[in-house]
Amino acid sequence: GAGVSQSPSNKVTEKGKDVELRCDPISGHTALYWYRQSLGQGLEFLIYFQGNSAPDKSGLPSDRFSAERTGGSVSTLTIQRTQQEDSAVYLCASSLHGGPVSYEQYFGPGTRLTVT
Amino acid sequence: GEDVEQSLFLSVREGDSSVINCTYTDSSSTYLYWYKQEPGAGLQLLTYIFSNMDMKQDQRLTVLLNKKDKHLSLRIADTQTGDSAIYFCAESMGSSNTGKLIFGQGTTLQVKP
Repeated sequence: GAGVSQSPSNKVTEKGKDVELRCDPISGHTALYWYRQSLGQGLEFLIYFQGNSAPDKSGLPSDRFSAERTGGSVSTLTIQRTQQEDSAVYLCASSLHGGPVSYEQYFGPGTRLTVT
Repeated sequence: GEDVEQSLFLSVREGDSSVINCTYTDSSSTYLYWYKQEPGAGLQLLTYIFSNMDMKQDQRLTVLLNKKDKHLSLRIADTQTGDSAIYFCAESMGSSNTGKLIFGQGTTLQVKP
């Protein structure tokens, strides 16, 4: 079946603009994660959604970052007033279940964001 | 705090075994993972081990876990040029209830023909 898909694959934006990144998880997966991969910081957890529970936003680096997940499926990560340090590859992952007994997370190809 | 450490680079000859090492700090980790990232591609789950296991073998891959020393290793037997990639170890945070992953910085494996 289809894997995790993300769009756009590449995004170039000017400093100060807002951007929206989209993730389509694997059908039937209840847990969805956003990570960021950058040269200076490696792979960092950003936010986690599990079913109808309140999301775990503990990894969001500032209040310019927000995310939502509509209908328990598609998720959108929004970055407001982008800064150059936001340049990174944003990765989405989904798993069948979330929780402490973690199941395999399947990653999408990522969105490469460049802020000029 | 939560921290996962890996050496940054490993170079081997084709046909040799590769051993990539990782140390972690959270003793409550429930699962430990190895992911592979090829140039320009996303992360591919290679294998994982539950924290109550010492070893897991999957074809050419062998994972060893020393829970006392909080040390994880990935051995790739008969390494091929197609194994050239960045390898990330990750721990699943058992002390939280999300299963979020904490990644090491990645080890670049270079396989010379």
